[in-house]
Amino acid sequence: GESVGLHLPTLSVQEGDNSIINCAYSNSASDYFIWYKQESGKGPQFIIDIRSNMDKRQGQRVTVLLNKTVKHLSLQIAATQPGDSAVYFCAEIGRGSYIPTFGRGTSLIVHP
Amino acid sequence: GAVVSQHPSWVICKSGTSVKIECRSLDFQATTMFWYRQFPKQSLMLMATSNEGSKATYEQGVEKDKFLINHASLTLSTLTVTSAHPEDSSFYICSARAGSGANVLTFGAGSRLTVL
Repeated sequence: GESVGLHLPTLSVQEGDNSIINCAYSNSASDYFIWYKQESGKGPQFIIDIRSNMDKRQGQRVTVLLNKTVKHLSLQIAATQPGDSAVYFCAEIGRGSYIPTFGRGTSLIVHP
Repeated sequence: GAVVSQHPSWVICKSGTSVKIECRSLDFQATTMFWYRQFPKQSLMLMATSNEGSKATYEQGVEKDKFLINHASLTLSTLTVTSAHPEDSSFYICSARAGSGANVLTFGAGSRLTVL
């Protein structure tokens, strides 16, 4: 399915708190998912990815959880820092493809 | 790591003029590049796939005569917004795949177009 151009939801947290950003994806046939971070005026940067045969993957301070039953993806950021302030997009990729379809995005604001 | 460079990073033009945006893969060759468009506070929407040496493939609803794409070499794709109008004002982002084994696209920093 296509992502819909809706206005971004916002998550505000205090520095040091854990952040959880959620994403609902549309295509049950997607088998690869990526979280991107986009800072103001810049292009998306890869954060972490997960394949559909996994339900959890951990990186440095970040964890991605995948629930295929309800087509839900989440990004957990531990000990959130002001530098984490950005817009976060989930993206899904269909089997055999490498072209991401971007989700709605969430604006994360970290208060010092 | 793989780097994709865009130029210009921002441009302001008058209505009716044409604007060209360049996308370069700096340390790898890219037979395919992708152009996305992003409106303020919205997601990225794929506009077209740029193929080296052949015609671009446009997504549904994207006017190919409005958004001309040329991919003349393995490291350069250009997007020309022809006869630009204020509604064409947007953030244009290109991306490329750094090698056939890469699962992830590398994105450029984007080009902000403002049409007066």
